[in-house]
Amino acid sequence: DVKVTQSSRYLVKRTGEKVFLECVQDMDHENMFWYRQDPGLGLRLIYFSYDVKMKEKGDIPEGYSVSREKKERFSLILESASTNQTSMYLCASSLLGLAGQETQYFGPGTRLLVL
Amino acid sequence: GQQVMQIPQYQHVQEGEDFTTYCNSSTTLSNIQWYKQRPGGHPVFLIQLVKSGEVKKQKRLTFQFGEAKKNSSLHITATQTTDVGTYFCAGPGANSKLTFGKGITLSVRP
Repeated sequence: DVKVTQSSRYLVKRTGEKVFLECVQDMDHENMFWYRQDPGLGLRLIYFSYDVKMKEKGDIPEGYSVSREKKERFSLILESASTNQTSMYLCASSLLGLAGQETQYFGPGTRLLVL
Repeated sequence: GQQVMQIPQYQHVQEGEDFTTYCNSSTTLSNIQWYKQRPGGHPVFLIQLVKSGEVKKQKRLTFQFGEAKKNSSLHITATQTTDVGTYFCAGPGANSKLTFGKGITLSVRP
């Protein structure tokens, strides 16, 4: 079974803090994704990566950056957390297949509260 | 950009009733996927449809891809409390990555 793990289930940070969210997958997947999920807005793609050291902006990259130094690990960074970044953050991974046809496997999510 | 639409966002049914929800796109899709997220959980892949008019079944769940490959449906026969959750459809987006609909949250009254 594919396993995607995220470093924290719950996180509380203060405005202005630098926040790191870590994601690790154990199935040698090429693609990795970061989403945020908010009520009524569904899943919105922040960033994705299809290879080590490669990254692409998703639909809402503002206020976020990412790092992928190893194939299995994809980090989401909030350089200076703000209250509007309070959300559920979901990491996902998939094999490199036909574009838009890959099945995504999600981690358990990190619920971030920024005070 | 390419979007898949799911309306409404919430639906409540009595246990034992059937339930149908739809996913619509303005353009032809190469494939459509369905995911389920239980309360407090994360999205889990259910099924992928690729062919025009394709129908796939998983126990009480029936998934169909439209003939024009612009819409899909999910039908649940005789809903149970274990069916509660949010069901997302997803299709290729403008950046060739999966784009998720906003989902429909199903609640079931016992």
